[in-house]
Amino acid sequence: QLHLQQSGPGLVRPSETLSLTCTVSGGSITSSRYYWAWIRQPPGKGLEWIGSVGSVSYIGSTYYTPALMSRVNISVDTSKSQSSLKLSSVTAADTAVYYCARHNFMMTFGGIVDRGFDPWGLGTLVTVSS
Amino acid sequence: EIVMTQSPATLSVSPGERATLSCRASQSVSRNLAWYQQRPGQAPRLLIYGASTRATDIPVRFSGSGSGTEFTLTISSLQSEDFAVYYCQQYDNWPPWTFGQGTKVEIK
Repeated sequence: QLHLQQSGPGLVRPSETLSLTCTVSGGSITSSRYYWAWIRQPPGKGLEWIGSVGSVSYIGSTYYTPALMSRVNISVDTSKSQSSLKLSSVTAADTAVYYCARHNFMMTFGGIVDRGFDPWGLGTLVTVSS
Repeated sequence: EIVMTQSPATLSVSPGERATLSCRASQSVSRNLAWYQQRPGQAPRLLIYGASTRATDIPVRFSGSGSGTEFTLTISSLQSEDFAVYYCQQYDNWPPWTFGQGTKVEIK
């Protein structure tokens, strides 16, 4: 059974870079050719998709929400079975629980397959404060 | 960007009763819609994709319906573990993939 373990600091200072890692176990990060996503949830609020990255390197394999595109980078390290999120120049508005999830999104010869986000990591509360 | 609107914001239901949650898209998303459950202090869990297909190990009391802009999640007989927040999410027009603001199902 696939398991997503998140790691990273819970406190980041304003203007610095938020960095989180999601380690995948119980399955290969590349075997299914699915994507890997990051989603956040401000305290007491709803879910916001941040971005998704493909596990196989090819053109157009990373998607970001327009609202954060200038500050976000998501990558996959297949040798470590990890997905990483970096969000630069953070402010208090970036305080949230950050989740990694497998994005059941795949490009095939027959078209695009998308079956939502599943499973999810447990989440990491990141507070932006000095 | 497609905006997803859920109603009601809060639904008060007695255990054993039926709960009906609504989700509306700002434009047609065909049947490219998923539902998630989030219990307090936990990560969301995928319930439904393709508007009506239950995800792995999801009980049959959860059912989804709809297409285009109007969708419904029905919980046929509420169990204690079903009191949670439910989110719809579209995957028809992306990026971005977008979520509704959630419906909280609470004990009446």
